[in-house]
Amino acid sequence: QKEVEQNSGPLSVPEGAIASLNCTYSDRGSQSFFWYRQYSGKSPELIMFIYSNGDKEDGRFTAQLNKASQYVSLLIRDSQPSDSATYLCAVNDGRTGFQKLVFGTGTRLLVSP
Amino acid sequence: DTGVSQNPRHKITKRGQNVTFRCDPISEHNRLYWYRQTLGQGPEFLTYFQNEAQLEKSRLLSDRFSAERPKGSFSTLEIQRTEQGDSAMYLCASTFMSSGELFFGEGSRLTVL
Repeated sequence: QKEVEQNSGPLSVPEGAIASLNCTYSDRGSQSFFWYRQYSGKSPELIMFIYSNGDKEDGRFTAQLNKASQYVSLLIRDSQPSDSATYLCAVNDGRTGFQKLVFGTGTRLLVSP
Repeated sequence: DTGVSQNPRHKITKRGQNVTFRCDPISEHNRLYWYRQTLGQGPEFLTYFQNEAQLEKSRLLSDRFSAERPKGSFSTLEIQRTEQGDSAMYLCASTFMSSGELFFGEGSRLTVL
């Protein structure tokens, strides 16, 4: 079992729709969860982080965390073509605290005009 | 502050040759990470430094890989006797203390022929 699992996609949504990206993780000791966005040919950049169960909103983005189910998701409201990218879920290595992040394979999002 | 800088951006080498990549982190960041990313995969952790100390090295990393961070500033990643399987994007990231917000460089793409 991979430590961080994501559906590779592509997830296709029309402009203005809500995109829902999901991630599951295996390490129950993980405490911190991150969503990075990676445009094609570019490096990852952080867009959201969440530490506590529940929802965290930042503009059009909402991160949701359920530690009991070992599940974290990212919702993108009013999706724009510029949101088309690969979204990487990252989880801190629970064995070493905040020392390093373990990334999933990423979900490719395509937003059509 | 110009962000994380990596050189060279591209390197093409023949199998068996040695290559070295350099990373200049954001100046006030004391943690520096090396990740490797292949097409369709998320970044894979290689190693990280806190100041000049190398605190962890991936168990998956061959002895052909070595990294240094003299004086806690820039870092180098050397791959000896390169193999075709080493072809990947090598990403450097830096952060301050134990933050999960990693600032990535643009990466160094290695092609081993």
